Amino acid sequence: EDQVTQSPEALRLQEGESSSLNCSYTVSGLRGLFWYRQDPGKGPEFLFTLYSAGEEKEKERLKATLTKKESFLHITAPKPEDSATYLCAVRNSSGGYNKLIFGAGTRLAVHP
Amino acid sequence: DAGVTQSPTHLIKTRGQQVTLRCSPKSGHDTVSWYQQALGQGPQFIFQYYEEEERQRGNFPDRFSGHQFPNYSSELNVNALLLGDSALYLCASSPGTRFYEQFFGPGTRLTVL
Repeated sequence: EDQVTQSPEALRLQEGESSSLNCSYTVSGLRGLFWYRQDPGKGPEFLFTLYSAGEEKEKERLKATLTKKESFLHITAPKPEDSATYLCAVRNSSGGYNKLIFGAGTRLAVHP
Repeated sequence: DAGVTQSPTHLIKTRGQQVTLRCSPKSGHDTVSWYQQALGQGPQFIFQYYEEEERQRGNFPDRFSGHQFPNYSSELNVNALLLGDSALYLCASSPGTRFYEQFFGPGTRLTVL
């Protein structure tokens, strides 16, 4: 069964303290891994799409990387405005090719 | 560009009632997907509509049904509401040729009492 697991569930950082979020996946025929940011009470906001192992994408203080079994979201020198829940999702190619399978997310809190 | 819009923002219903949620996709998008997000969980896929037909469905009972209109807007209907249906219902739209590039709306918060 296709599965996405994110860790840690929650992470508390001091402003400027860099860290990484993990997304491990089990999916038959990966056709893309997606990172989203979700603020409380709002819909997810698209951040990155990764397609193949070794691929990296960057946006401001965020950098996403992909291996054959997991993806990391690295946050460099975070600021309080980076506080949010970060969701990872995969798109599989078996059966339903349009479906995104989400992890439960990592709740990030950055304190000044 | 208005992006994906959903209505209503919040809704309170009682067990056994029926509810209809609405979604207008982002301009240029013709595919609409619906997700249920329980508190503290990631979104769970309900179904997807393209060309006014249900293209794919997740593991949700028949109490959950939908519709897509010629202008690509969509409705999610839930019958015989249960307490466990309380959640944030998210609509995501995407262009037909790149249906994996999903843009989400702000969601409708449904509370079932």
